[in-house]
Amino acid sequence: GENVEQHPSTLSVQEGDSAVIKCTYSDSASNYFPWYKQELGKRPQLIIDIRSNVGEKKDQRIAVTLNKTAKHFSLHITETQPEDSAVYFCAASSNDYKLSFGAGTTVTVRA
Amino acid sequence: DAGVIQSPRHEVTEMGQEVTLRCKPISGHDYLFWYRQTMMRGLELLIYFNNNVPIDDSGMPEDRFSAKMPNASFSTLKIQPSEPRDSAVYFCASSNPGTGQFFGPGTRLTVL
Repeated sequence: GENVEQHPSTLSVQEGDSAVIKCTYSDSASNYFPWYKQELGKRPQLIIDIRSNVGEKKDQRIAVTLNKTAKHFSLHITETQPEDSAVYFCAASSNDYKLSFGAGTTVTVRA
Repeated sequence: DAGVIQSPRHEVTEMGQEVTLRCKPISGHDYLFWYRQTMMRGLELLIYFNNNVPIDDSGMPEDRFSAKMPNASFSTLKIQPSEPRDSAVYFCASSNPGTGQFFGPGTRLTVL
């Protein structure tokens, strides 16, 4: 099955700086890569996703890049704000449905 | 839309008891997923349905776990008998092709 590795496990950034989270996957058939944000005690929420026919996607301060050859994808958050503090999960799937999640990255934005 | 609805939000039970978790997906969504989240194992997909039919239950940990979807607006996840290692947050999610998965608020289960 699919194995997704996520790094780093924790990330502390100064407000206004950028944050980058990286994930690698093992199954070359994977073609759907969503990112979820989970605040403490809350549900995971989809923040952005990318498909294998696209190399980069951007939504305001959030962007995701995909390198299919190397089998890795990354989340970039620019101009971080305190409300960006949360746990971020990457995931991969070959069919949009059977998601395999990374272990999560706890992001702390220091004011 | 109210989003995915789960009940109960919290459940505390004793080992050996039967536990039933409930989920109402977003109206019109054809796919429903059950996940379990723990510190040790992270987020794990247990089972998912398409049009009320179970498609993949390979993540169901053992025979003590069962899931049903009798109609498009309701699903249950049952654990019988429950064990302390089943303590976790159980999430239900729903989706349609191309929408991404939307999670419910979760049920925090504690088995004593």
